[in-house]
Amino acid sequence: DAGVTQSPTHLIKTRGQQVTLRCSPISGHKSVSWYQQVLGQGPQFIFQYYEKEERGRGNFPDRFSARQFPNYSSELNVNALLLGDSALYLCASSLSWGHSNSPLHFGNGTRLTVT
Amino acid sequence: AQSVTQLDSQVPVFEEAPVELRCNYSSSVSVYLFWYVQYPNQGLQLLLKYLSGSTLVESINGFEAEFNKSQTSFHLRKPSVHISDTAEYFCAVSEYPGGSYIPTFGRGTSLIVHP
Repeated sequence: DAGVTQSPTHLIKTRGQQVTLRCSPISGHKSVSWYQQVLGQGPQFIFQYYEKEERGRGNFPDRFSARQFPNYSSELNVNALLLGDSALYLCASSLSWGHSNSPLHFGNGTRLTVT
Repeated sequence: AQSVTQLDSQVPVFEEAPVELRCNYSSSVSVYLFWYVQYPNQGLQLLLKYLSGSTLVESINGFEAEFNKSQTSFHLRKPSVHISDTAEYFCAVSEYPGGSYIPTFGRGTSLIVHP
């Protein structure tokens, strides 16, 4: 079975631009989470979606938004990019929501560079 | 709110030597605890988890971690490391009940195994 897939793998944008990152979960997984990993830091939680509804939101500005589609894939949008948004963006899928014994399966991430 | 402290940013060790990666957490309720591993240019992979029961948990590749409630610790150990264990290791905590079940990650420990 295919794992979590993310696209694109790398992206270079200019300050002020907008970006959309995409994620396809493992088949059968209904929950998708997004994390931001700045170089040298652990992943920071951005959003969690389950059954197309937002179930959790981290401490990120409103420039960050996301959605989940009927096929459980997800997009993360970031508007008005800042230099500080440069990071590895990780998507993780899990079977369900609200159960910590449903482990997260991570994709390889999208490396975003803002210049 | 939950938090995780990984006390060492980098741990160098020689091949076949034992290693311990330290993790302490803070939470006002009960927790689930996890260790994830991240190899270069990849996403995170679940290494092992503590949900309940025996406080000593093991992974399939020789790592083990022990939940110590009084010390609020979940240190990761391996009696004999290999070159292939070189990676970034992240400790994570998730609160229950009443928590978000969304894991909070530490900033990571870079394990560097020298020949």
